[in-house]
Amino acid sequence: GENVGLHLPTLSVQEGDNSIINCAYSNSASDYFIWYKQESGKGPQFIIDIRSNMDKRQGQRVTVLLNKTVKHLSLQIAATQPGDSAVYFCAETLNTDKLIFGTGTRLQVFP
Amino acid sequence: DARVTQTPRHKVTEMGQEVTMRCQPILGHNTVFWYRQTMMQGLELLAYFRNRAPLDDSGMPKDRFSAEMPDATLATLKIQPSEPRDSAVYFCASGTDSNQPQHFGDGTRLSIL
Repeated sequence: GENVGLHLPTLSVQEGDNSIINCAYSNSASDYFIWYKQESGKGPQFIIDIRSNMDKRQGQRVTVLLNKTVKHLSLQIAATQPGDSAVYFCAETLNTDKLIFGTGTRLQVFP
Repeated sequence: DARVTQTPRHKVTEMGQEVTMRCQPILGHNTVFWYRQTMMQGLELLAYFRNRAPLDDSGMPKDRFSAEMPDATLATLKIQPSEPRDSAVYFCASGTDSNQPQHFGDGTRLSIL
């Protein structure tokens, strides 16, 4: 798939380290948030979601944190692996089907 | 794993030609979305359907684009006539209710010469 923007923010981490990808969302009333991972030539892949009545949710090696006070969402990846290299998108919605996607962050994992 | 299937994966054609992209949503999903992704604009929602009925096509250029769901297992996006500015990756996604994840196909990479 296309990578978003000519100046995509990039996070470079060493294999085995933890990664934190940040996202500032736009609507303080948004009530549902999703993180997607997009590898080159593929579609966005669902990673984890969180509703606005929660501030933290954990999955396998991933944790999403939601700070509604400052409209901030983060994705933490534990023990980052080469296979985690991709572009990561956050998305928000307010009780509708329409997702509003962020611009994306490229994660590069080096040995 | 159940997946959204899109065909063709790649399409190169000359401007003025009709282009048809197809999508098979995940079985049991009643909502189908069409997105376009470009470097400059990112992911844009073009249109979406629920239970085969169009709910919103406000993101779609009406003069040349059309989206349909002939049946619950097939969604189509057509461009006629195509223009070079339509070059992009077109994604289909399917889901169930609002506030549930949408699941994406691997897209159709379209190049209009």
